[in-house]
Amino acid sequence: GQNIDQPTEMTATEGAIVQINCTYQTSGFNGLFWYQQHAGEAPTFLSYNVLDGLEEKGRFSSFLSRSKGYSYLLLKELQMKDSASYLCAVLYSSASKIIFGSGTRLSIRP
Amino acid sequence: DVKVTQSSRYLVKRTGEKVFLECVQDMDHENMFWYRQDPGLGLRLIYFSYDVKMKEKGDIPEGYSVSREKKERFSLILESASTNQTSMYLCASSDRGRTEAFFGQGTRLTVV
Repeated sequence: GQNIDQPTEMTATEGAIVQINCTYQTSGFNGLFWYQQHAGEAPTFLSYNVLDGLEEKGRFSSFLSRSKGYSYLLLKELQMKDSASYLCAVLYSSASKIIFGSGTRLSIRP
Repeated sequence: DVKVTQSSRYLVKRTGEKVFLECVQDMDHENMFWYRQDPGLGLRLIYFSYDVKMKEKGDIPEGYSVSREKKERFSLILESASTNQTSMYLCASSDRGRTEAFFGQGTRLTVV
């Protein structure tokens, strides 16, 4: 299989910074996604990394190290609306197969 | 805007019934996916399709089948529903060139 591991739950404070890590099996790797999912809603796309390094998009940044099979999502200036699950997903080369991790539930406290 | 539409938001079916979950996308995407989402297990891939009439098993295909007769429509079939198939089912589509997957709103299926 293609084990994708991320922490189950995290808690952070409004206005702070939080980093959510994701590790994955590197064989067949083609790219890595981060999705946000609010309770009862469908996942929405946040970022896609295919090359090593940091991609910044407003308050959210995503980092990838292909050799280490590692990524993180960095959320800055946290807002209460950022309380959600964050899903790491990997695109594997076999016919565009996308596999998801179990998700990290992020709770923001005032 | 990409739109992925699932035919039902909520469904209740009896054990042993044949169940059809329909998904339609309007962006001419080649790839379509069916996932189920359960607490603590995340999204697990059931089947995906990369072209009309083409399908590949995901991680948990047992008890399910799929149909892709037209590019825009991808159907998930539960041949004989069982209580352990009670779950949230999510359909997604993506373009072969752009790899971002777009999700439907989900179908919460309860098998009693």
